[in-house]
Amino acid sequence: DTGVSQDPRHKITKRGQNVTFRCDPISEHNRLYWYRQTLGQGPEFLTYFQNEAQLEKSRLLSDRFSAERPKGSFSTLEIQRTEQGDSAMYLCASSSGFFDRGYAPRRADTQYFGPGTRLTVL
Amino acid sequence: DQQVKQNSPSLSVQEGRISILNCDYTNSMFDYFLWYKKYPAEGPTFLISISSIKDKNEDGRFTVFLNKSAKHLSLHIVPSQPGDSAVYFCAAPDLISSGSARQLTFGSGTQLTVLP
Repeated sequence: DTGVSQDPRHKITKRGQNVTFRCDPISEHNRLYWYRQTLGQGPEFLTYFQNEAQLEKSRLLSDRFSAERPKGSFSTLEIQRTEQGDSAMYLCASSSGFFDRGYAPRRADTQYFGPGTRLTVL
Repeated sequence: DQQVKQNSPSLSVQEGRISILNCDYTNSMFDYFLWYKKYPAEGPTFLISISSIKDKNEDGRFTVFLNKSAKHLSLHIVPSQPGDSAVYFCAAPDLISSGSARQLTFGSGTQLTVLP
């Protein structure tokens, strides 16, 4: 399987605990994104990596959220001191970084998603 | 303010008929649009896309139409099959502040149910 993988698929934790999720992107993709999806809503962008550099993190929901991609391959998303409002599906996506502005939409920088990690905070 | 809107939370269609899913957007700077399909307990799967320089893109049973003047796009599925039952999201890439990467802004989704 050469798609995006995420681990664990499900996580149940108690309020106040720290949790960490892992994402392994498609191997040749240098761009990696984290999103969060709550019930009845579309995915919401959190942060983005180009190789190992975190180029956008202003959308992380609070300073309890942090992400790393130390070697430019897999990434981790950590939530410290979890709250019940953190319960959601956390999605990772990757893309190749090749973007065509218009003549061939199929070649645009399409993001491919993993199966997600479902977090439940009790 | 939601920049991408899907105003119909659900749609039911008979097998073999056409499914039409609608999406409206407010940001005239969007130059590219995507549709994703999502089954329960899975991540979104890329379905089809369209550039703003086109008004139609077709891939098998799936066709996306873009009306830039109305800031409206629609996904047509013909013929609809029970396996098409899923949540469909419309999305548009928005520039991330650094570099050329794009974050996706999603609509809230439409649950399509294809009845056998």
